[in-house]
Amino acid sequence: GNSVTQMEGPVTLSEEAFLTINCTYTATGYPSLFWYVQYPGEGLQLLLKATKADDKGSNKGFEATYRKETTSFHLEKGSVQVSDSAVYFCALSGTNAGKSTFGDGTTLTVKP
Amino acid sequence: GAGVSQSPRYKVTKRGQDVALRCDPISGHVSLYWYRQALGQGPEFLTYFNYEAQQDKSGLPNDRFSAERPEGSISTLTIQRTEQRDSAMYRCASSILAGGSYNEQFFGPGTRLTVL
Repeated sequence: GNSVTQMEGPVTLSEEAFLTINCTYTATGYPSLFWYVQYPGEGLQLLLKATKADDKGSNKGFEATYRKETTSFHLEKGSVQVSDSAVYFCALSGTNAGKSTFGDGTTLTVKP
Repeated sequence: GAGVSQSPRYKVTKRGQDVALRCDPISGHVSLYWYRQALGQGPEFLTYFNYEAQQDKSGLPNDRFSAERPEGSISTLTIQRTEQRDSAMYRCASSILAGGSYNEQFFGPGTRLTVL
């Protein structure tokens, strides 16, 4: 079955540092890939997505590239802010399947 | 516009009682999903609907769990004879349509279920 493995946390960075959160997946076919973010006290919300190989999803300074050859979808941001402190979830959805498979989440704390 | 809403936000019940969790999706969204999330883990798929039809219930852990969406809008997840291991955050999400690039899911705030 499908699975998502993401970098274990927690991750603590200083403001303006470079962020990478690794995500690899196992799936048949050509899944769509997502990063969701959960800010403290809030629900999950979509951060970015990519629906086919070599696509780059981007939003709010975050980027992730769908790499089929390495089955990866690593999340990056060049300069993090305190307001980026949250839990980040990598997820995939099969081409014709409704359900999404999520990783266990990575907690990011950014200190001023 | 209104997002996905869930009620109640918190539910405390005694072991052996039945509970019903409600989800009101974004208007016009065809697909509705239920997930369960344990502390420190990602959401785990339970079941999903297109309109009123339950498409996949492979994630329901056992026959104490059931879900319905009789009119293709509001959905109810029912847990019968609750057990302490059922304690978790139950999340509902909706999307325009399941699958492909339309599968961006919008999540509700969740219902925190505690079984004593």
